[in-house]
Formats: sequence, structure tokens, C-alpha cells
Amino acid sequence: ETGVTQSPTHLIKTRGQQVTLRCSSQSGHNTVSWYQQALGQGPQFIFQYYREEENGRGNFPPRFSGLQFPNYSSELNVNALELDDSALYLCASSKETGVSEQYFGPGTRLTVT
Amino acid sequence: AQSVTQLGSHVSVSEGALVLLRCNYSSSVPPYLFWYVQYPNQGLQLLLKYTTGATLVKGINGFEAEFKKSETSFHLTKPSAHMSDAAEYFCAVSDYSGYSTLTFGKGTMLLVSP
Repeated sequence: ETGVTQSPTHLIKTRGQQVTLRCSSQSGHNTVSWYQQALGQGPQFIFQYYREEENGRGNFPPRFSGLQFPNYSSELNVNALELDDSALYLCASSKETGVSEQYFGPGTRLTVT
Repeated sequence: AQSVTQLGSHVSVSEGALVLLRCNYSSSVPPYLFWYVQYPNQGLQLLLKYTTGATLVKGINGFEAEFKKSETSFHLTKPSAHMSDAAEYFCAVSDYSGYSTLTFGKGTMLLVSP
């Protein structure tokens, strides 16, 4: 059984640019959640996708957007990058939304200069 | 709204000593509680979780935690620390209202000395 994978591992972008991060969910999982983990902080919920629809959103501006594809993989897009967007972005998949354990990928380290 | 407070950003123990990492939560509904571990440059791995039922929960790698509703606590313990336990530990809470999202504490770095 393949776990959650994320790409790329590391990324360096310039302020104002746009970035796309990718996540492949674990086999049999239809729900993907994205979290932002700033240095020295716990992960913060960005949004969740369930069966290709956004199912919930944390306190992040609209320039953070996402997609989920029919195979349940997902993308996180961030427009107009700011220095404070530098963080580890974690993807987690689960079998269903609601009461369901989340399995995390290794993350993408984004650095904005 | 939910929140998690982890007391102590760093905890140092000697190998073989008791590990105690503290977590207090705030939730308006009966919570589901979790402990995750994060090794350097890696994602999060679930150590254990409390949903319903028995308040003493056993997890992987010899860790356990006890849910105490009256104290709104979910402290993580391990009787004897091992060098390989050195990592960052996160406590998280979920109320599973509509969709599952985790609210994390700021984490506690566990340092283990020989």
C-alpha cells in the first residue's frame, strides 16, 4: 500500500510569484487536507477536499486555492507569494471526511525570498 | 472553537528516564484527541488517539496517554526514554463537526541525552 506522497520536496520562489504543490493520496482515500507548518509552529489547517469539492477551509486568504482530481490526488496553489508563506506544507489523506484518521505525507518545504 | 496548549517547547530527559509531555485542550464538544510525532525533515506520524471509550490509550513505540475530562488534559507518557524518541511531538484536537480537521498545539521538542 503506497502512502501519501508530495512533490516537490523543496521549492524556492520569489515574492509575488505563484506556486503549485502536489499530493497523491493513499490508496482508497477520498479526502485530502492541507496544512501549513511555519518554523517552530504546529500545523495550521488550510482546507480540505472531499470527492473533488472543497469541504472546509481554515483562516487563509483566497490566494490559497486548491483542486482535487478524480483519482483523489490534490494540488495546492498559492498566488502572489509573500515572505510569510515560507513554511512546510503538509498534505494528509483519509478514507472519508468526518471521523477518519488522517495520514500525512512528508511535506513540501517552500522558501519565499 | 478548539485550541491546544502544550506546556514546554523543549523537554530534556536522560535515556531510561520517564517521558512526560503535557497537553491541555479546549473544546465546546467532546473532543477527539491525538498525539503525533515528527522527526527532522519528515511528515507527521500518528502515535495514538482517543475517540471514545477507555480513557487510557496505548500507542506505538511504548507511548500512552490518558484523557482526563475534568482536567481537560491528554498528557503523553513513556516509562523509559530511548535515544530514538528524540523528535518533536504535537498534540491535536478534533471535534469532527461536519468535516474532520485537526487543531494542533505548537509542539514540544523532546531531547534525550545518553
